[in-house]
Amino acid sequence: EAGVAQSPRYKIIEKRQSVAFWCNPISGHATLYWYQQILGQGPKLLIQFQNNGVVDDSQLPKDRFSAERLKGVDSTLKIQPAKLEDSAVYLCASSLVSGANVLTFGAGSRLTVL
Amino acid sequence: QKEVEQDPGPLSVPEGAIVSLNCTYSNSAFQYFMWYRQYSRKGPELLMYTYSSGNKEDGRFTAQVDKSSKYISLFIRDSQPSDSATYLCALVTDSWGKLQFGAGTQVVVTP
Repeated sequence: EAGVAQSPRYKIIEKRQSVAFWCNPISGHATLYWYQQILGQGPKLLIQFQNNGVVDDSQLPKDRFSAERLKGVDSTLKIQPAKLEDSAVYLCASSLVSGANVLTFGAGSRLTVL
Repeated sequence: QKEVEQDPGPLSVPEGAIVSLNCTYSNSAFQYFMWYRQYSRKGPELLMYTYSSGNKEDGRFTAQVDKSSKYISLFIRDSQPSDSATYLCALVTDSWGKLQFGAGTQVVVTP
């Protein structure tokens, strides 16, 4: 079974620039998550999709972050404009169902904002 | 107060020792308790999960939950250098499976 694919793996931008991350979940997984992991901290949920719909985006800074999941498969997370504090690893995960589910994480996209 | 507290370490042990990791939590609504392992520059991977108080074993790993004390533990027996990683506890509270992670404990097993 192929894992969760993410790209790019690394990105360096200057503050106020924009960046986009892409995620391809495991085939058939209905639920997709984006987490932000700042160095030395545990992952924090930004947004959760169930198929095409958003289940939880309560911790997504909506003034600068946006995310979409096209046709219930791939997803894109965008940051515009980026701030220094957005430097983190952005992890995408997917699961077959919600609830007591097993999340499979991608390797992450590491963002450095200068 | 954070919902999930975890000592960040690092925790350094010699090969063959028992590694003891723990988390405390404040929300009694948490229903499922998970441990993830994260190697450097990789995403977290699930090690074990449980939903009840007591012990659960899987090979060299034992997860322990004490709901009355709001305390969860992970023990690694006969630790190996390949166990060197960051271990994250994660708790699930709602029906959508939202995970609340601890900060992670970095473990270093020296040969």
